[in-house]
Amino acid sequence: DIQMTQSPSTLSASVGDRVTITCRASQSINNWLAWYQQKPGKAPKLLIYKASSLVSGVPSRFSGSGSGTEFTLTISSLQPDDFATYYCQQYNNYLLLTFGGGTKVEIK
Amino acid sequence: EVQLVESGGGLVQPGRSLRLSCAASGFNFADYAMHWVRQAPGKGLEWVSGISWNGGSIGYADSVKGRFTISRDNAKNSLYLQMNSLRAEDTALYYCAKDSYSYGYSDYWGQGTLVTVSS
Repeated sequence: DIQMTQSPSTLSASVGDRVTITCRASQSINNWLAWYQQKPGKAPKLLIYKASSLVSGVPSRFSGSGSGTEFTLTISSLQPDDFATYYCQQYNNYLLLTFGGGTKVEIK
Repeated sequence: EVQLVESGGGLVQPGRSLRLSCAASGFNFADYAMHWVRQAPGKGLEWVSGISWNGGSIGYADSVKGRFTISRDNAKNSLYLQMNSLRAEDTALYYCAKDSYSYGYSDYWGQGTLVTVSS
């Protein structure tokens, strides 16, 4: 099975900061990677699919990049609404999925 | 408006069974793969199981293989998860999630149903 490793697990940042979260796959997944945002007590929300495709309605300060085994989620200028936990998820096989461990973005 | 409403969670003793349901509306249910994803208290997301649009293909996480069974009834717009031989480590909030088609990423999620396994 494909393992997904996210780093860091926690990130402290200020409003306006540029934030980067990394996700590594244990084997190549081409660009079959999604990013989700989850706030406390809420269901996850899809932000990005196919590594870099932004979901309609998601602010353009969010961007994704990478292919193969290494991927990044970047928030260009952190906003108060962005403090949340972010998860990557591989879908190399649509019936054998794996999530990363999550990155909690906290207020510095 | 897409809606996914899970039900069937509760407190159950170790070794017992529970069946979760997910009622879907607002989209053509029969066209999409579906998934169950769980989240233990204070922990991350864990994919549990997925099923193709017609139920012909199914996948399970190793942690539940042989104990859990996913199914769907397209006539009733419903997804199910039969959970047998429950363990304490199965305690989690269980989400029903709609696949974007049959790609593997989920564009809509329910609010979850809580399963607590404890004696």
